[in-house]
Amino acid sequence: DVKVTQSSRYLVKRTGEKVFLECVQDMDHENMFWYRQDPGLGLRLIYFSYDVKMKEKGDIPEGYSVSREKKERFSLILESASTNQTSMYLCASSSFEGINEQYFGPGTRLTVT
Amino acid sequence: AQKITQTQPGMFVQEKEAVTLDCTYDTSDPSYGLFWYKQPSSGEMIFLIYQGSYDQQNATEGRYSLNFQKARKSANLVISASQLGDSAMYFCAMRVEGGKLIFGQGTELSVKP
Repeated sequence: DVKVTQSSRYLVKRTGEKVFLECVQDMDHENMFWYRQDPGLGLRLIYFSYDVKMKEKGDIPEGYSVSREKKERFSLILESASTNQTSMYLCASSSFEGINEQYFGPGTRLTVT
Repeated sequence: AQKITQTQPGMFVQEKEAVTLDCTYDTSDPSYGLFWYKQPSSGEMIFLIYQGSYDQQNATEGRYSLNFQKARKSANLVISASQLGDSAMYFCAMRVEGGKLIFGQGTELSVKP
């Protein structure tokens, strides 16, 4: 059974803290993605990666960075958390093969106070 | 510009009835794919159905079917015989270059007993 896991379901951080969100997939997928989900806005792409040590900016990369040191792991970093980064964060992975269906993790609900 | 639009923020349907969730898209690429995902209150994104731009027939998966009208750029999801467990957020998404997905704003479906 395919699986994408995220390090935390719920996270509360203070303004200015450095925050790490971890995502691991066990499907040997080449592609990995980070989204944030806000009511009325759907899912918006923050960053994505097609290979180890490779990253590309999505639609809303400001205030975020990523790291992909191993194929199965893709980390999202908030260098200095701000209250407007309070959101649901979803990680996904996909293969280059087939229809490129994305498999999602359970999400991390981050609150920045 | 590539875009997905879901114009129904919320929908109600009576149990056992059929419901149609609307999705329109905009792209100039001849090759694209359209996905529908379900997101229950637990937060995970569940893949439901896929339609490729060159597919001649409308996709079907059990109680889900995709009403694909290419000339009108619409890809509506039809759920037949609604069940209480169908209550969830539903997202339409379009695959663009590089395997990225663009998501609509989502439709919250509530199934009444």
